[in-house]
Amino acid sequence: DSGVTQTPKHLITATGQRVTLRCSPRSGDLSVYWYQQSLDQGLQFLIHYYNGEERAKGNILERFSAQQFPDLHSELNLSSLELGDSALYFCASSVGDSGVYEQFFGPGTRLTVL
Amino acid sequence: AQTVTQSQPEMSVQEAETVTLSCTYDTSESDYYLFWYKQPPSRQMILVIRQEAYKQQNATENRFSVNFQKAAKSFSLKISDSQLGDAAMYFCAYRSGVSNFGNEKLTFGTGTRLTIIP
Repeated sequence: DSGVTQTPKHLITATGQRVTLRCSPRSGDLSVYWYQQSLDQGLQFLIHYYNGEERAKGNILERFSAQQFPDLHSELNLSSLELGDSALYFCASSVGDSGVYEQFFGPGTRLTVL
Repeated sequence: AQTVTQSQPEMSVQEAETVTLSCTYDTSESDYYLFWYKQPPSRQMILVIRQEAYKQQNATENRFSVNFQKAAKSFSLKISDSQLGDAAMYFCAYRSGVSNFGNEKLTFGTGTRLTIIP
């Protein structure tokens, strides 16, 4: 158990819908990262938040957005869902915001878009 | 941009034998970190081993060790005395050591599926 929690574990929805994935980092961790794992794109970085502020964006679609709240939990919002958005979405957390700190991964949320 | 390449989509090894998984990367940076992550059927991403680029000594963690060749930009993982529980997808990953916005992300290879033969 990494100490990072993600809810829900599984999510099944229809095209065009909107969903919210939630991540609670390890106690004391200020950084939250979101990654997407899909069959065709592999593991890709989406977005990084540090202490409530957006730090970096990767290959994140405009239909996707995220935020980190004052209690440091983070939410990833996916809207106008398409079949291709079906994937495993990971959240990872680390103490700081530099490369020296290890990222601890949550168990992931499996999103299925029908 | 940094890239990570794993050229072996699948590998298999007999239980108790040794196997080596390959990884190459491309970067213009001198300060960075390399990782091997294990993803078992549970899908949990588990850190196996980590190597700092500034360290010449290869990292080891029990049965897991790496062969880090900085000039060749190669970072292979050796698993000794393979066990059934080692069966998983293994991902090589790169992370910049430069403290700058956008550099903290992990860049992953495409993975190698390791099968352990009893």
